[in-house]
Amino acid sequence: DTGVSQDPRHKITKRGQNVTFRCDPISEHNRLYWYRQTLGQGPEFLTYFQNEAQLEKSRLLSDRFSAERPKGSFSTLEIQRTEQGDSAMYLCASSLETGGENIQYFGAGTRLSVL
Amino acid sequence: GNSVTQMEGPVTLSEEAFLTINCTYTATGYPSLFWYVQYPGEGLQLLLKATKADDKGSNKGFEATYRKETTSFHLEKGSVQVSDSAVYFCALRGPSGNTGKLIFGQGTTLQVKP
Repeated sequence: DTGVSQDPRHKITKRGQNVTFRCDPISEHNRLYWYRQTLGQGPEFLTYFQNEAQLEKSRLLSDRFSAERPKGSFSTLEIQRTEQGDSAMYLCASSLETGGENIQYFGAGTRLSVL
Repeated sequence: GNSVTQMEGPVTLSEEAFLTINCTYTATGYPSLFWYVQYPGEGLQLLLKATKADDKGSNKGFEATYRKETTSFHLEKGSVQVSDSAVYFCALRGPSGNTGKLIFGQGTTLQVKP
């Protein structure tokens, strides 16, 4: 399978705990995006990487959130001191930016439940 | 700022009925427009796209035309099937040079009954 892979698919945690999610993009893709989707809403942009550089962060991404893409391949999204409002589906997408088309391919997501 | 508005769902249709899901957008410049589909338990999949005014995107019997004058990108299908039941998202991406981030509508659930 050469699609975007996310792990874990589901995560249940207690309020105040830290969680980390992983995303493995399509191998030749240079851009990687994180989105958050709450029930009944469309995905909302959180942040993106061009290779290993994090180039934009949404205001939705509070200082409890951090994302990395250390070698320009996989990425991790960490949430510290989780709150119930962090419960959502976290989506990863990747694309090959060539200056023209930029089709984003999405993973199946990690569903986070904060109790 | 840029935004996308979709018609609220759920939309419930009988098999072989005609489908329209409305989508309008607000954007500076000339965005690219997309329809993504999310089947139960699966990730978002690109359904079709259009990158400039009057372009028509099409795939799997679905069509949408980029209408700059009405800032719309309505999704249509002439004859829906039960397998089309899913959540459909309209999205835009800013002009080239932008980050490439997608801005989504809230999604429209389609239920097709046999």
